[in-house]
Amino acid sequence: DAGVIQSPRHEVTEMGQEVTLRCKPISGHDYLFWYRQTMMRGLELLIYFNNNVPIDDSGMPEDRFSAKMPNASFSTLKIQPSEPRDSAVYFCASRDTGQGSSGYTFGSGTRLTVV
Amino acid sequence: DAKTTQPPSMDCAEGRAANLPCNHSTISGNEYVYWYRQIHSQGPQYIIHGLKNNETNEMASLIITEDRKSSTLILPHATLRDTAVYYCIVRVARGARQLTFGSGTQLTVLP
Repeated sequence: DAGVIQSPRHEVTEMGQEVTLRCKPISGHDYLFWYRQTMMRGLELLIYFNNNVPIDDSGMPEDRFSAKMPNASFSTLKIQPSEPRDSAVYFCASRDTGQGSSGYTFGSGTRLTVV
Repeated sequence: DAKTTQPPSMDCAEGRAANLPCNHSTISGNEYVYWYRQIHSQGPQYIIHGLKNNETNEMASLIITEDRKSSTLILPHATLRDTAVYYCIVRVARGARQLTFGSGTQLTVLP
């Protein structure tokens, strides 16, 4: 199992540009989570999906952020337009319902820098 | 999820046991204690969890006090690769959705 796969690993973009982060969850996992990590705020949940349906997006900072999960094997997090304060490491995680709270598997993250 | 309190940082000599404490005085009867860790530049990784009995796996041991208000994660022979932020999370085993992380403990294993 290749684990949760995120791309790209690093992204540098200019303020105002659109950024798309990608995630491939572990096959068979029915939950997918997007987290953001900064020094100031730590790890914070942005949104999560269950069976491809967004369940809770209350952590999405503002309308510039959007996330989709068109199928069970792919999700995107889009920022448009990007701002310097969006610079952070973005993690995707997936989980199988049957595994409970020990079953979260995280990807290696995407380090986003907005200049 | 019950609130947890962890020291912000700890040091440990390589080869010695690392004992990471966690206080969770408001834990409910159906809540478990979970430990995750995050090595620099990687995503968090599950280590171990327990309800009330002590637990051991290939990575670590978990000691939970009898009143369940605190616990200790033990890495028996710490290596440099164990340098990471360790998160103690208290929550129900099933039914809850997202995992919520606090500040954790930065463990530095010294050569």
